Amino acid sequence: DTGVSQDPRHKITKRGQNVTFRCDPISEHNRLYWYRQTLGQGPEFLTYFQNEAQLEKSRLLSDRFSAERPKGSFSTLEIQRTEQGDSAMYLCASSFLQGNTEAFFGQGTRLTVV
Amino acid sequence: QKEVEQDPGPLSVPEGAIVSLNCTYSNSAFQYFMWYRQYSRKGPELLMYTYSSGNKEDGRFTAQVDKSSKYISLFIRDSQPSDSATYLCALKLNNDMRFGAGTRLTVKP
Repeated sequence: DTGVSQDPRHKITKRGQNVTFRCDPISEHNRLYWYRQTLGQGPEFLTYFQNEAQLEKSRLLSDRFSAERPKGSFSTLEIQRTEQGDSAMYLCASSFLQGNTEAFFGQGTRLTVV
Repeated sequence: QKEVEQDPGPLSVPEGAIVSLNCTYSNSAFQYFMWYRQYSRKGPELLMYTYSSGNKEDGRFTAQVDKSSKYISLFIRDSQPSDSATYLCALKLNNDMRFGAGTRLTVKP
């Protein structure tokens, strides 16, 4: 297992288009998180899955954003009708369920909306 | 007031210096404390993880937590140019993890 994997690494899209990102967590990690990071800022929480259940969503996650984790393994984050303000690094992290364990991040997907 | 305050720097030090990075937080409920290193255009990499007040050492890195003051620190001894990166503090309670803005560090040869 090589850690958390995210695809694509970079995405350039025109305003108004839909985009989808994929995250493959570390195997056996039950928890999966999505974060957004803009330049000069720390990651901001978007949403959290425990297995296939989406248990928490940030107010940052507008109705244009949707995330899934259909089989409790990989997850997808879709942004519909992208706006320039959506340009950011989208980070995925995973951790074990038991206890308060550390979270490991993927390399992120850098989105640029033009 | 932000939940986690971290001086963004930038911080520039000569090679071999001791570096001190700090964060303060407002919510005493946070129980777990982490430091991540992030190179430009990469994902954060976990450096240190601790859940108790006191010091935790790992090689050249020492994480320090003072829960009474709601203050956490990361010390880097014998800093190297390869330590040049942004350092993020992160505080966690169950599913909730909050980050500081990150401090950009440059270690000059």
